[in-house]
Amino acid sequence: DARVTQTPRDKVTEMGQEVTMRCQPILGHNTVFWYRQTMMQGLELLAYFRNRAPLDDSGMPKDRFSAEMPDATLATLKIQPSEPRDSAVYFCASGFGAVGFFGQGTRLTVV
Amino acid sequence: EDKVVQSPLSLVVHEGDTVTLNCSYEVTNFRSLLWYKQEKKAPTFLFMLTSSGIEKKSGRLSSILDKKELFSILNITATQTGDSAVYLCAVDTNAGKSTFGDGTTLTVKP
Repeated sequence: DARVTQTPRDKVTEMGQEVTMRCQPILGHNTVFWYRQTMMQGLELLAYFRNRAPLDDSGMPKDRFSAEMPDATLATLKIQPSEPRDSAVYFCASGFGAVGFFGQGTRLTVV
Repeated sequence: EDKVVQSPLSLVVHEGDTVTLNCSYEVTNFRSLLWYKQEKKAPTFLFMLTSSGIEKKSGRLSSILDKKELFSILNITATQTGDSAVYLCAVDTNAGKSTFGDGTTLTVKP
């Protein structure tokens, strides 16, 4: 049963700490997306990759967020330094071109 | 800027009712429209629509796209309490960017 796998599922960290979230997309999918979801903003696109190349990361605060895809089986989203306003659920999704299947998300709480 | 608007924002019905959820969009280089259902956790995929006028159906759920008027509807017939969820619409473009609407929260009462 192919699925998108995200780790960790939950993360509580102190303000100023570095946070790294990981995503294993479904094998063979050529597009990977990072979304952030909050009650206030809904699902916001942060960045996406096609064939591992970053296509658009205009949704990310560049000074503190970075997204990479070091190989076809791993995508990472890093926040350094983290701030309380970064508290949200971060979803990774993968598909063929369009967003298709979501991971279960990483619930990040920055205190 | 790409825009996806869903209506209504929320809806409360009773079991057995039929509901229609709306999604309108304004995007550059439209490629497809997708519907998702989100309960407690991650959105789960329902439909992908690329052509106007062709209905996609899965059980009690169906959806259709109108590319001339730039909207889609999602119909749910004979609703059940298990249909209670947030229904999300997303539009995908040729650039590969997928933009989501704010969702419609559906509550089905017994």
